[in-house]
Amino acid sequence: EPEVTQTPSHQVTQMGQEVILRCVPISNHLYFYWYRQILGQKVEFLVSFYNNEISEKSEIFDDQFSVERPDGSNFTLKIRSTKLEDSAMYFCASSDFAQSGNSPLHFGNGTRLTVT
Amino acid sequence: GEDVEQSLFLSVREGDSSVINCTYTDSSSTYLYWYKQEPGAGLQLLTYIFSNMDMKQDQRLTVLLNKKDKHLSLRIADTQTGDSAIYFCAESMADSNYQLIWGAGTKLIIKP
Repeated sequence: EPEVTQTPSHQVTQMGQEVILRCVPISNHLYFYWYRQILGQKVEFLVSFYNNEISEKSEIFDDQFSVERPDGSNFTLKIRSTKLEDSAMYFCASSDFAQSGNSPLHFGNGTRLTVT
Repeated sequence: GEDVEQSLFLSVREGDSSVINCTYTDSSSTYLYWYKQEPGAGLQLLTYIFSNMDMKQDQRLTVLLNKKDKHLSLRIADTQTGDSAIYFCAESMADSNYQLIWGAGTKLIIKP
């Protein structure tokens, strides 16, 4: 069964550094998402992406964050200047339609980001 | 704002049924989901239910939806050790095609 893959599985970085989290969505999917889960807290929506632009973003997704689909297969999340509070598990997801029920989100295994 | 609540832990004996409960606040939510997260793994979609349904069954899984009480449950029949995981309830936002609102997850513990 096709799956969403994320790399790396664990990333450690120093505060102020830039990080790029990578995702390969399911190949025929058109909608891409990033969610995050801070340890001990709920999963939170960050951003959705369709047709090479952001469809929706949450308040968390400020100017430090950006997303990109640099080629036909990868979907990346960049954090320009990491803060301690960015430490979390970041999940990428994809779906083939926008409406979540018609096309449930398929998630990757996540990247654990640790900012020191 | 919208919120989804779940108990943090559930302990059951192997072979018994597990019932994981969830309450939500957005009465106009269109879809409700159950995801499973095993240790070190991602979020695996188990099942989902449309808001105009009250029950959905899929092999050992039964989802019950009480819209009046905004209550969703997941029943796992004949619980096995492989069912040990965290189970997340999530709802779609009525005014968004993209966002899911998540519960904190219920950790299912299986006793031999």
